[in-house]
Amino acid sequence: AQSVTQPDIHITVSEGASLELRCNYSYGATPYLFWYVQSPGQGLQLLLKYFSGDTLVQGIKGFEAEFKRSQSSFNLRKPSVHWSDAAEYFCAVGMDSNYQLIWGAGTKLIIKP
Amino acid sequence: DAGITQSPRHKVTETGTPVTLRCHQTENHRYMYWYRQDPGHGLRLIHYSYGVKDTDKGEVSDGYSVSRSKTEDFLLTLESATSSQTSVYFCAISEKPQGAPEAFFGQGTRLTVV
Repeated sequence: AQSVTQPDIHITVSEGASLELRCNYSYGATPYLFWYVQSPGQGLQLLLKYFSGDTLVQGIKGFEAEFKRSQSSFNLRKPSVHWSDAAEYFCAVGMDSNYQLIWGAGTKLIIKP
Repeated sequence: DAGITQSPRHKVTETGTPVTLRCHQTENHRYMYWYRQDPGHGLRLIHYSYGVKDTDKGEVSDGYSVSRSKTEDFLLTLESATSSQTSVYFCAISEKPQGAPEAFFGQGTRLTVV
């Protein structure tokens, strides 16, 4: 079955430290890949997306993600986090064959001062 | 911000009563989606629409129905609400399937069934 795994439910990072959030997916072919962020009480906002081409994609708010086909991964990174990055982050994948986005369970990012 | 409005934003209802949630868009996007969000589950697709009067089931459609009589409106109905339907419901829109190039989300509706 198709699935998306975000292995970390919570991650705590000090302000100014680097960040990597993991996302692995299970599909037969290269899917469309997305990272979304959700602040408390808010809807979801797209951070970045990968459809094809360069496997390192840049997004908003200083985030980037790298697609690694061999590892079926699409990890999100940021070199230096800010307190305002505290939120929940969701990885999602989509396929040509259907209309559905499949979502990971989310990773809650906590920033230590 | 994309023009998506969900109403109501909060609702408390009793078990067994019907409930309708509304999603209204001003972007003229073809695709509309209803998701529910529960802790530990991420977002799960309930129903989606690929045009006026064109809808289909998602992953967790049991107990829910939808209607789309106009491009701008997508209604989600719980025919007889149950406590297991207590959740936060999100509407999303996109120009293409799978949210490609991007899905825009509403602010959510928090539904409590008592």
